[in-house]
Amino acid sequence: AQSVSQHNHHVILSEAASLELGCNYSYGGTVNLFWYVQYPGQHLQLLLKYFSGDPLVKGIKGFEAEFIKSKFSFNLRKPSVQWSDTAEYFCAVNYFGNEKLTFGTGTRLTIIP
Amino acid sequence: SAVISQKPSRDICQRGTSLTIQCQVDSQVTMMFWYRQQPGQSLTLIATANQGSEATYESGFVIDKFPISRPNLTFSTLTVSNMSPEDSSIYLCSANALRETQYFGPGTRLLVL
Repeated sequence: AQSVSQHNHHVILSEAASLELGCNYSYGGTVNLFWYVQYPGQHLQLLLKYFSGDPLVKGIKGFEAEFIKSKFSFNLRKPSVQWSDTAEYFCAVNYFGNEKLTFGTGTRLTIIP
Repeated sequence: SAVISQKPSRDICQRGTSLTIQCQVDSQVTMMFWYRQQPGQSLTLIATANQGSEATYESGFVIDKFPISRPNLTFSTLTVSNMSPEDSSIYLCSANALRETQYFGPGTRLLVL
């Protein structure tokens, strides 16, 4: 079965620190990859997505992610976090020809002012 | 992108009753999805709702418990039947509005007493 792993369950950082959240998926062929964010009390929003092409994708609010096919990874990065980045972050994958999304367990990010 | 609304936003229900959740999309979409997100956990897909055909349920979810309707390309309902406290959760609707990218509604918070 398809699966997505997010190894960091809770990350605590100070403002201006750099961020990297890990995401690995199980092998299953051609994939589309997504990062979603859920701010406190708000609904899931799309941060960024990768379908093909340049493996380094840029999303909203200064986030980026790099697809490394050989490692089945799609890690999320931000060079300098802000207090407003406090949220739950979910990595998700669907496989070519299958519209269903498989989500990781999520990473709770807490930014300390 | 797509704007998705859900009704009700929250409800408190008695054991043994049923609740129908409505999901409305601001554009026509082929596929709609229903997820459950239990407190502090990730999203679990309940079923995929296609217009004009029966919903496709994931392992562990059955039509008798979670009947779904999809009468047109912008609307779907999920009913949680014969509820028990274990059904307390957030129920999320999503739709593929743009090239295999899912957009999510705000969710319905359900508490079963």
